[in-house]
Amino acid sequence: DAKTTQPNSMESNEEEPVHLPCNHSTISGTDYIHWYRQLPSQGPEYVIHGLTSNVNNRMASLAIAEDRKSSTLILHRATLRDAAVYYCTRWEGNKLVFGAGTILRVKS
Amino acid sequence: NAGVTQTPKFRILKIGQSMTLQCTQDMNHNYMYWYRQDPGMGLKLIYYSVGAGITDKGEVPNGYNVSRSTTEDFPLRLELAAPSQTSVYFCASSYLGLPGALYNEQFFGPGTRLTVL
Repeated sequence: DAKTTQPNSMESNEEEPVHLPCNHSTISGTDYIHWYRQLPSQGPEYVIHGLTSNVNNRMASLAIAEDRKSSTLILHRATLRDAAVYYCTRWEGNKLVFGAGTILRVKS
Repeated sequence: NAGVTQTPKFRILKIGQSMTLQCTQDMNHNYMYWYRQDPGMGLKLIYYSVGAGITDKGEVPNGYNVSRSTTEDFPLRLELAAPSQTSVYFCASSYLGLPGALYNEQFFGPGTRLTVL
């Protein structure tokens, strides 16, 4: 059963870049990696997804290792509003599977 | 668009009571999902639906039932509530459910916090 592994928590200073790692060593060749985040007392929201290439959007960048066993979500300049739980998720069939996620704390 | 709406926001049930959690989306999405989130944990899929009249079990379906009579609505029914069902329940929808496809981003509702005493 494919799994994703993330650190329990990370801390960052405001206005600095944040690199959130995810290990998915058993991922299959056609599985996409999706990232969601959950702000306090809210439902999760989509951040970004990718398969093999690095991806960028207005919220973040996603760097995927060449062997696809790991990926890193990059927030280029963390703000206090980025404090959230970040989930590296995978698809199983037509179901999205969430792990425990990484709690990101941002210090001012 | 209101997106995904859920009612109620909070509810306290006694053991053995029943209730229905409502979920409505106005984005004409085909796929809808119900998740539960226990404290400090990630989300676990309860049931999902790929379209009106079609539902399927997720990881933790026991103690729940769903129906999908319209594209917009996907209610979750709890029969005989138990303390183990104390959780936050999230409904989500997406246009598609295909990994990596465009338009398969899941949109989540604000959640229903349920306590069973």
